[in-house]
Parts: sequence; C-alpha cells; structure tokens
Amino acid sequence: AQTVTQSQPEMSVQEAETVTLSCTYDTSESDYYLFWYKQPPSRQMILVIRQEAYKQQNATENRFSVNFQKAAKSFSLKISDSQLGDAAMYFCVNAGNMLTFGGGTRLMVKP
Amino acid sequence: DTEVTQTPKHLVMGMTNKKSLKCEQHMGHRAMYWYKQKAKKPPELMFVYSYEKLSINESVPSRFSPECPNSSLLNLHLHALQPEDSALYLCASSQLPPGTFGNTIYFGEGSWLTVV
Repeated sequence: AQTVTQSQPEMSVQEAETVTLSCTYDTSESDYYLFWYKQPPSRQMILVIRQEAYKQQNATENRFSVNFQKAAKSFSLKISDSQLGDAAMYFCVNAGNMLTFGGGTRLMVKP
Repeated sequence: DTEVTQTPKHLVMGMTNKKSLKCEQHMGHRAMYWYKQKAKKPPELMFVYSYEKLSINESVPSRFSPECPNSSLLNLHLHALQPEDSALYLCASSQLPPGTFGNTIYFGEGSWLTVV
C-alpha cells in the first residue's frame, strides 16, 4: 500500500521569500513518479512539477524545485521568490499504480 | 495543450432530480477519470475508464453512473443523490492507462455540485 504524508496543514510565506513544503511517502514499488499539484481557489488541479524516482537529479521548473531524497522517502517542494498567485493548496502525489494524494498543505502568501 | 473541459461549472439539484456532468478532452488521451473532492480534502478516485472501458470502480454507490461514449468524452449521470454528495467533481485524463509507469494525469476545473 502507498501512503503520502504532508505534515504541514498550513504554511505562510512573505511575498518574494522562499518556502519549503514537506512530503514523505511510503511505497513498495521500485519505479514510481512523484508529483506536486497546486489547487488554487479556482479549484483546478494544476501540475507543478514531477520527479522520476530513478533520477538522482532534482527536478526544477522555474521558481519551483524539489529536494528528492529516495532513501529517506522524502519529496519536498521549494518555492523561490514567492508570488501572491502561489497561494493555493498543494498536494504531494505518488504515482505508482494509481495516484496517492497527501492530505495537502495550504500555502498563504503575505504581501 | 493539456486541457480537460468540464461542464457545468456549478450545478444545484434536488434529491429527486436526474442530472449529468460532462467532461471532454482532445489530447488523444486513452484514460479518463472521475474524482470526488470534499472541502479541504484531497480528491478521491471514483471511476476510471481505459480505452473506453470501465476499468476501476471504487465501490461508488449506484446513484452515480459513469458513461464513456467515446475516447474524448466522459459523463457522470446523477440520480437520487443525497446532500452528503455535495462536492467538487473533478474529471481527469491521461495519455497512458492507469498504473502505467510514467503516466501523468491532467485535471479539469471541476464541477461544483450542491444537492438540496
């Protein structure tokens, strides 16, 4: 069985600062992908970044990057130069056999 | 283009009504999904269609009836719903069948359903 845990229900960050959202997971599969999805108040689930478990290099998408620690089963998301539009619920997702969602972290951005 | 389109965006229905939610994608994806999401919770998988065949039904009550008329369309027929069924219903699609390594799922904007 797969599990994904996001230990921070809420986080806040000052505009232009950096914030890191935590995620740990458990899986018995050897090959899998990990994702971060963002769900703003508009409610559309938007793919932010994905990481292939077999790759050692951390994925980066503009201001978004991950710190993937496979042995520790940790997959944190770093948002640099935070913007007001980054305010959303963020879900860490393990895409093994099916998508397994974490409980989500609500990120607030203060102007 | 990674667009999944859902209609209507908002729906209010009585417990005796029959209504449908619609979902469309033109990315050539061969798998389509229905998720239910309650406030402040992650989405919960309801159904998966793979190559237009129902491949996963997560023990969803029969008052929810999915239909996949073709590879681009997915419907969710609603009948005799309960107030606790009020939620955001998300449609999603993926190029590869569910469970395929490397599969990425793309979501629509969702349909807000309120049952009164």
